[in-house]
Amino acid sequence: DVKVTQSSRYLVKRTGEKVFLECVQDMDHENMFWYRQDPGLGLRLIYFSYDVKMKEKGDIPEGYSVSREKKERFSLILESASTNQTSMYLCASKSGLYTDTQYFGPGTRLTVL
Amino acid sequence: AQKVTQAQTEISVVEKEDVTLDCVYETRDTTYYLFWYKQPPSGELVFLIRRNSFDEQNEISGRYSWNFQKSTSSFNFTITASQVVDSAVYFCALSEIGNSNYQLIWGAGTKLIIKP
Repeated sequence: DVKVTQSSRYLVKRTGEKVFLECVQDMDHENMFWYRQDPGLGLRLIYFSYDVKMKEKGDIPEGYSVSREKKERFSLILESASTNQTSMYLCASKSGLYTDTQYFGPGTRLTVL
Repeated sequence: AQKVTQAQTEISVVEKEDVTLDCVYETRDTTYYLFWYKQPPSGELVFLIRRNSFDEQNEISGRYSWNFQKSTSSFNFTITASQVVDSAVYFCALSEIGNSNYQLIWGAGTKLIIKP
């Protein structure tokens, strides 16, 4: 079974803090994704990575950066957290085949005060 | 333009009733994949099914079944004899071969409430 884990289920941070959200997958997948999910707005893609050190912007990259130094790990970074980044963050991974399925982690519910 | 529409925002039924969740998609590609995911209250998105555009056979898995009709661009999901544990938000998604970014195009989701 594919296993995608995220470092925290719940996180509370202060405005202006630097926040790291970590995602790890154990299936040797080439592609990894970060989404945020907000009520009424559905799932929106922030960034994705198709290989180590490679990244592409998704639909809403502003205010975020990412890092992929190892194949199994994809980090989402909020350089200076703001209250409008309070959201549910979901990580996913999939193999290199574009026909394959994205598998998701449990999500991190981030609150920025 | 590619799009996935789940017109039902919320459905509420009593346990043991059958329920169908609708999914209508738009794409210019002839080769594409359709997906259903379940998101229970815990928040994790759970993969349910993937169907490619060349396979229009209906799929059944226990109480779940899927009806794919290219003629109407629909990929509907039916739960037979619903149970309280089926309560969740269900998402339909589209992946196009022509989309080199491997992105999924997501529907807005349907919240399903099963009352005991």
